[in-house]
Amino acid sequence: EPEVTQTPSHQVTQMGQEVILRCVPISNHLYFYWYRQILGQKVEFLVSFYNNEISEKSEIFDDQFSVERPDGSNFTLKIRSTKLEDSAMYFCASSEWGDRNEKLFFGSGTQLSVL
Amino acid sequence: DAKTTQPPSMDCAEGRAANLPCNHSTISGNEYVYWYRQIHSQGPQYIIHGLKNNETNEMASLIITEDRKSSTLILPHATLRDTAVYYCIDENSGGYQKVTFGTGTKLQVIP
Repeated sequence: EPEVTQTPSHQVTQMGQEVILRCVPISNHLYFYWYRQILGQKVEFLVSFYNNEISEKSEIFDDQFSVERPDGSNFTLKIRSTKLEDSAMYFCASSEWGDRNEKLFFGSGTQLSVL
Repeated sequence: DAKTTQPPSMDCAEGRAANLPCNHSTISGNEYVYWYRQIHSQGPQYIIHGLKNNETNEMASLIITEDRKSSTLILPHATLRDTAVYYCIDENSGGYQKVTFGTGTKLQVIP
């Protein structure tokens, strides 16, 4: 079965540094998403992306965050200046369409540790 | 936030059917019910979804009550690999698909 691929699986960074998390969505999918999960907490929606534009974003997705589809296969999440509270597991997801009758496919995540 | 109610935890004997309930009393007429699961900090995994009719796939069955205010996910023969947190999600109709996760039910399958 096709899958969403995320790299790296673990990322350690210093507070204030920029990080880029990378995702390769399923090839024929058109809608892309980022979620995060702080240890012991719920999976939280960050942003959805379609046609090279942000479709929706949550309150968490402030000016420190940005997303990009730099080429035909990658989808990235950038955190400009990391904070301690950005430490979390970040999940990328994709779906074929953005219809309501749709399922999301999630990657296995990138564990981000901010020191 | 998610508008569903699930028990925080359940146990199930290996090989038996696991029946996971969910209340979604505020669901509107055109909102789907989705089930996902998360196995120990892996990415969430889609299981099944439905609108009005009962649904079955290779993973599970979904039984939706006639008034659509509750549903039950059935794993017919639970295995140890089914130990996970199961999320029942009442669709958040935001115009684009967006899954809003609650706290789910932690299912422990016992040998």
